[in-house]
Amino acid sequence: EVQLLESGGGLVQPGGSLRLSCAASGFTFKSYAMTWVRQAPGKGLEWVSGISGGGTRTQYADSVKGRFTISRDNSKNTQYLQMNSLRAEDTAVYYCAKYLKWESGAFDIWGQGTMVTVSS
Amino acid sequence: QSALTQPPSASGSPGQSVTISCTGTSSDVGSNNFVSWYQQHPGKAPKLMIYEVNKRPSGVPDRFSGSKSGNTASLTVSGLQAEDEADYYCSSYAGSNSVVFGGGTRLTVL
Repeated sequence: EVQLLESGGGLVQPGGSLRLSCAASGFTFKSYAMTWVRQAPGKGLEWVSGISGGGTRTQYADSVKGRFTISRDNSKNTQYLQMNSLRAEDTAVYYCAKYLKWESGAFDIWGQGTMVTVSS
Repeated sequence: QSALTQPPSASGSPGQSVTISCTGTSSDVGSNNFVSWYQQHPGKAPKLMIYEVNKRPSGVPDRFSGSKSGNTASLTVSGLQAEDEADYYCSSYAGSNSVVFGGGTRLTVL
């Protein structure tokens, strides 16, 4: 079964850091680009970041550029999102998702999401 | 990276058809055929319903169809069913390997 399982969410103070993980199973992980998409409470979806299958190409939304870093370990079938200098507006459910194909911008497999709350 | 524009709500009776629009710019929707649509039920992860404007992933009913004209894409749900009631989001490739989503449309089946 194709599956994505996020972990690492929680409560963090403004200015703090958090690292999210996404463990993949059921498909050839290294062959697919991966992404993080977030959804603030009661709000819509926001694309956060993407990484190519080999990990050599990355892209970020302007709202997180310079603060978040996406990475992956293909030997562990896992992708990560390192989040630094967190702000209240980063509070959201963070979804890990798999690209159908890198250039399509379509995400065909999603995890269940992990909640990140930035508050003092 | 401005969000695509969707109507906040749409509705229809069972068996009817409803169309949801998604308006972008010449830098995103109007510049490529990489428009996708997602369905999200409350408390659940989004589900891909349409990709590359009008293609359906395996398992998605053919009641769901997509189209595009210029800077506006559309999702049509035909033969509305109760289980179609959900939030729908469009997205588009926006260049430089970035993606932009629409604000979402809540579809109500009356």
